Amino acid sequence: AQSVTQLDSHVSVSEGTPVLLRCNYSSSYSPSLFWYVQHPNKGLQLLLKYTSAATLVKGINGFEAEFKKSETSFHLTKPSAHMSDAAEYFCVVSVRSNTGKLIFGQGTTLQVKP
Amino acid sequence: DGGITQSPKYLFRKEGQNVTLSCEQNLNHDAMYWYRQDPGQGLRLIYYSQIVNDFQKGDIAEGYSVSREKKESFPLTVTSAQKNPTAFYLCASNPGQGMGQPQHFGDGTRLSIL
Repeated sequence: AQSVTQLDSHVSVSEGTPVLLRCNYSSSYSPSLFWYVQHPNKGLQLLLKYTSAATLVKGINGFEAEFKKSETSFHLTKPSAHMSDAAEYFCVVSVRSNTGKLIFGQGTTLQVKP
Repeated sequence: DGGITQSPKYLFRKEGQNVTLSCEQNLNHDAMYWYRQDPGQGLRLIYYSQIVNDFQKGDIAEGYSVSREKKESFPLTVTSAQKNPTAFYLCASNPGQGMGQPQHFGDGTRLSIL
């Protein structure tokens, strides 16, 4: 079975400093992985997706993630945090079936301090 | 612009009352999904539908019902049998072309008990 674990429930950074949100996955096959962002009282917005084409994936708003099979990780990074990056972030894996179902991590709240 | 529209944004339910949450999409997607979001618990799948007039239970279907009479619409009814309905409800869709597809989300409906 597939699963994802977000290693931090809350991350706090200062504006202008790097962001690292950690995600480990479990899968017996090559997975499809996603990062989504959710601002308060809003839906989820896709930041980026990994579908085996390249291990370093670039997304929107300066975010990127690196797929590391040996470490079963898919950490999200950004070189310089902006106040508008404060939100909830979800690491997600696609279920191996034709249902399109996804499995969500518990989420990481990113706080950005001025 | 194509997207998913959820209504209402806020909804209040009285004891013993059924309420229906609306979800409409104009993305021409085959598959649609309903999730429940509680603080600190990520997203949990309630029901999903891969084609008109067909739907399947997700992980927490008890106390909920759905219909899929049109491709564009996937309403969710929260019945009186759902004893703890207070949550943020999210509707999503994807093209329905197998695994590895990201889902697109609406902006959610927040349901509370009066």
